[in-house]
Amino acid sequence: AQRVTQPEKLLSVFKGAPVELKCNYSYSGSPELFWYVQYSRQRLQLLLRHISRESIKGFTADLNKGETSFHLKKPFAQEEDSAMYYCALKPQGGSEKLVFGKGTKLTVNP
Amino acid sequence: NAGVTQTPKFRVLKTGQSMTLLCAQDMNHEYMYWYRQDPGMGLRLIHYSVGEGTTAKGEVPDGYNVSRLKKQNFLLGLESAAPSQTSVYFCASRGAPGNQPQHFGDGTRLSIL
Repeated sequence: AQRVTQPEKLLSVFKGAPVELKCNYSYSGSPELFWYVQYSRQRLQLLLRHISRESIKGFTADLNKGETSFHLKKPFAQEEDSAMYYCALKPQGGSEKLVFGKGTKLTVNP
Repeated sequence: NAGVTQTPKFRVLKTGQSMTLLCAQDMNHEYMYWYRQDPGMGLRLIHYSVGEGTTAKGEVPDGYNVSRLKKQNFLLGLESAAPSQTSVYFCASRGAPGNQPQHFGDGTRLSIL
């Protein structure tokens, strides 16, 4: 069965500090990995996905198949980054079941 | 474009009552989904649809029914509401091909007393 684990329920950093939100997954094939973000009082929205290899709002995430991880990183956190972050996995083979982690609440303090 | 619109935004029900949540998307998306979000549980897929007239079970389908009579609408029904169904419900849609991301609605906060 597929599983996504975000080991930190809460993460607090100071503005300007580096931040890393951890995501580990359990899946035997080649999944698609995503990071979704939910800002206060806003809808869940896609932040980035591994196939795009892009940087959004200064965030990057690299898929490490050996460690089955897809950690989200930003070198200098900003207060507006405070939000709930969800890592999600989509199995290969056309499955529609996007599997979400339980989320990490990031707070960036001034 | 409104994207994905959910109605209502809030509702309080008594145990045993029935209700239907409506999800509408104006992006001509083939795929639509209903999730529930509970504290400490993340999002869990209830039901989904890969096209008009089709539905399929997700991770937690019991106690819910869905219908996709029109491509733009995906309805989630609770026939006999239970307190365990108190949650925030999110609808999402996506287009083809398979690597397109899901677009989410604002959510419906449902409380069952």
